[in-house]
Amino acid sequence: KAGVTQTPRYLIKTRGQQVTLSCSPISGHRSVSWYQQTPGQGLQFLFEYFSETQRNKGNFPGRFSGRQFSNSRSEMNVSTLELGDSALYLCASSLSTGQREVAFFGQGTRLTVV
Amino acid sequence: QQQVKQSPQSLIVQKGGISIINCAYENTAFDYFPWYQQFPGKGPALLIAIRPDVSEKKEGRFTISFNKSAKQFSLHIMDSQPGDSATYFCAVKAAGNKLTFGGGTRVLVKP
Repeated sequence: KAGVTQTPRYLIKTRGQQVTLSCSPISGHRSVSWYQQTPGQGLQFLFEYFSETQRNKGNFPGRFSGRQFSNSRSEMNVSTLELGDSALYLCASSLSTGQREVAFFGQGTRLTVV
Repeated sequence: QQQVKQSPQSLIVQKGGISIINCAYENTAFDYFPWYQQFPGKGPALLIAIRPDVSEKKEGRFTISFNKSAKQFSLHIMDSQPGDSATYFCAVKAAGNKLTFGGGTRVLVKP
């Protein structure tokens, strides 16, 4: 069974640009969550999607948005990029939304904003 | 606010030794307490998890101890091996799939 696939693996963008990251969850998984990982702030929850609906949102500005498609694949978008958005963006997929569902993480997309 | 405090930030242990990482949480609504292991260039991977109605869970060389009244839980890595060198994150979970992570502990096991 293939794991969580995130594309691209690496990305370099300029301040002010926008970026779209993609995540394909494990086959059969319907929940996709996104996290930002930085050395200073650690792992922080961005948002969660289940059945194409955003179920939970972290404390990030509106420049960060996401969506989920009917095949459970998800994208996140960051507009008007800032230097501080440089981070590893991780996608996690879960079978459902049960409290003890295991979250399986992808390898992440390393975004560098210059 | 920091809902999960993890310590220490880094740890060096000799091969065969015991690594101990501690986490403290604030919100009693949390109902699931997983530990994740992350190697450089990889995403976090679930190592072991515990429910609050259990005081201890062991899987191989990894043990979670849970103290509900103190709102603390810890990871013990017995017989530490160089391959255990990684960053470890505790996490807490309430409703849904939102994980709140501790700050991480970088473990280095010296041969």
